Amino acid sequence: EAGVVQSPRYKIIEKKQPVAFWCNPISGHNTLYWYRQNLGQGPELLIRYENEEAVDDSQLPKDRFSAERLKGVDSTLKIQPAELGDSAVYLCASSLVGGVEQYFGPGTRLTVT
Amino acid sequence: DQQVKQNSPSLSVQEGRISILNCDYTNSMFDYFLWYKKYPAEGPTFLISISSIKDKNEDGRFTVFLNKSAKHLSLHIVPSQPGDSAVYFCAALFGNQFYFGTGTSLTVIP
Repeated sequence: EAGVVQSPRYKIIEKKQPVAFWCNPISGHNTLYWYRQNLGQGPELLIRYENEEAVDDSQLPKDRFSAERLKGVDSTLKIQPAELGDSAVYLCASSLVGGVEQYFGPGTRLTVT
Repeated sequence: DQQVKQNSPSLSVQEGRISILNCDYTNSMFDYFLWYKKYPAEGPTFLISISSIKDKNEDGRFTVFLNKSAKHLSLHIVPSQPGDSAVYFCAALFGNQFYFGTGTSLTVIP
């Protein structure tokens, strides 16, 4: 069974440029999470989806970040415009609804210069 | 407000000995506690979990202990192997929200 797929794995952009990350969760997993992990820190939730619905986006900086999960499967996280402080690893995870165990993708390492 | 804390950034252990990783939390309402293992350039991988109504869960070489009165959990790895060298994150679940610690980097010395 394929795991959580993320692309790209690495991205380097200049500040003020837009960037997008893509995630394909494990088949059958209705819950999808986007996390941001700064160096030396644990993952911090940005947004959680149950199917197509964003049920928790309280930590998403909505002035520059947006996310979508069309058809309740793949998801895209966008930053526009990027700032230097956005440099981090962006992790996508999925789980069954109400599941305790999350499955993480490899992450996208974003560097904003 | 860091609700889950891992106060030891790193730990070194000889191969074959026991590794003990610690985690403290502040919210007594957490439902589950989990440990994740992370290798460089990979995402965290689920290792083991424990319900808040239990005090011990064991899976092979890995055992998690929960002390609710102290709001403390620990992960024991016995015996430690070089392949266990990784960053270990503890996490706590409240409702549908996961809270992660900052991680402990374990090095198992051959």
